[in-house]
Amino acid sequence: AQSVSQHNHHVILSEAASLELGCNYSYGGTVNLFWYVQYPGQHLQLLLKYFSGDPLVKGIKGFEAEFIKSKFSFNLRKPSVQWSDTAEYFCAVEGYKLSFGAGTTVTVRA
Amino acid sequence: DAGVTQSPTHLIKTRGQQVTLRCSPKSGHDTVSWYQQALGQGPQFIFQYYEEEERQRGNFPDRFSGHQFPNYSSELNVNALLLGDSALYLCASTLGGYSGNTIYFGEGSWLTVV
Repeated sequence: AQSVSQHNHHVILSEAASLELGCNYSYGGTVNLFWYVQYPGQHLQLLLKYFSGDPLVKGIKGFEAEFIKSKFSFNLRKPSVQWSDTAEYFCAVEGYKLSFGAGTTVTVRA
Repeated sequence: DAGVTQSPTHLIKTRGQQVTLRCSPKSGHDTVSWYQQALGQGPQFIFQYYEEEERQRGNFPDRFSGHQFPNYSSELNVNALLLGDSALYLCASTLGGYSGNTIYFGEGSWLTVV
């Protein structure tokens, strides 16, 4: 079976604060890993992806994520958030299919 | 603009009815996948079409069926609608499957079953 778990349902923070969203997956084989973002009223957009190589990947808008194979984790980070980062964030894992986590709503207060 | 277009954007159906949703993939893409996203949930994989055949399927009943046309556009059909089928239905396209290729999502079709 293949599944994705996101640790936080809703995160509220102030501008300039640091953000870290947790993601764990279960799958016995090789995986590709993704973080998607969905801004209010918009479609899902790819933030970053990991297929192989350096486990620390950098994406758009200052986001990065670290793949820790031993922990089956792919956590998303941003050192300093902005109000415009308010959105829903989805971790996704591609094993034999693409599976999404339930999402984390991030609210950034000005 | 992601380039994936879906129609209709919103629709309301009655329990027991049937619905057809449509998707045009991004130009040049040949693989289309469908997802169901219920409120407060992440997208759930329904199935994927490539070369006009269903290549993969998620854990959805046979009431959910699809089709891919020679121009790579796709339809999602749901028969005998249930209240629980109310959700946002997303179409995603890519080239030749997922590995190594970016997936583009449409804005979705909101289905309400009453």
